[in-house]
Amino acid sequence: KQEVTQIPAALSVPEGENLVLNCSFTDSAIYNLQWFRQDPGKGLTSLLLIQSSQREQTSGRLNASLDKSSGRSTLYIAASQPGDSATYLCASYFGNEKLTFGTGTRLTIIP
Amino acid sequence: GAGVSQSPSNKVTEKGKDVELRCDPISGHTALYWYRQSLGQGLEFLIYFQGNSAPDKSGLPSDRFSAERTGGSVSTLTIQRTQQEDSAVYLCASSRGTGPRDTQYFGPGTRLTVL
Repeated sequence: KQEVTQIPAALSVPEGENLVLNCSFTDSAIYNLQWFRQDPGKGLTSLLLIQSSQREQTSGRLNASLDKSSGRSTLYIAASQPGDSATYLCASYFGNEKLTFGTGTRLTIIP
Repeated sequence: GAGVSQSPSNKVTEKGKDVELRCDPISGHTALYWYRQSLGQGLEFLIYFQGNSAPDKSGLPSDRFSAERTGGSVSTLTIQRTQQEDSAVYLCASSRGTGPRDTQYFGPGTRLTVL
């Protein structure tokens, strides 16, 4: 059974700091890995998608990396802002047409 | 352009009643997914539609749950004889295809509360 884990469940950092969110998966035969953001009471917003052949993707202040051999992905957020406060979810796609989600990391940026 | 929309945004019902949740995917997207997000838990896959193929129902938790997709567009998730454990946020997503480059775009969800 494919499993995706995110630790810690919650994280608080002062504004302006760089931070890293972690995601691990048990099956290295992934097709891609996605990072999403979820604001309270809202749906999910896709942030970055890394295909299995890629090592990283960047969008603005966000950088996501993928290491299939170790079963890990990280989401790096540079120069954090209060607006970055949200729950961040990673999800793996194993080619069976459905995403397997982690339970998320709730991020709070302290002004 | 228009994203994935879902209705209603909130639904409160009594135990034992049937409910219908609606999803309008992004125009042109052939794949449509339903997920459930229960309090304190991750997103749980429910069902998946791809074009005219038979849906993948492997995630439906019981036979009280069913879904259909009419005309390859709008989808309805029906829960019969609702139970309190059905209370959750039901999220719909669509994607252009099912390849490794195809991002799933999510709607805002329907929050279902069963009293």
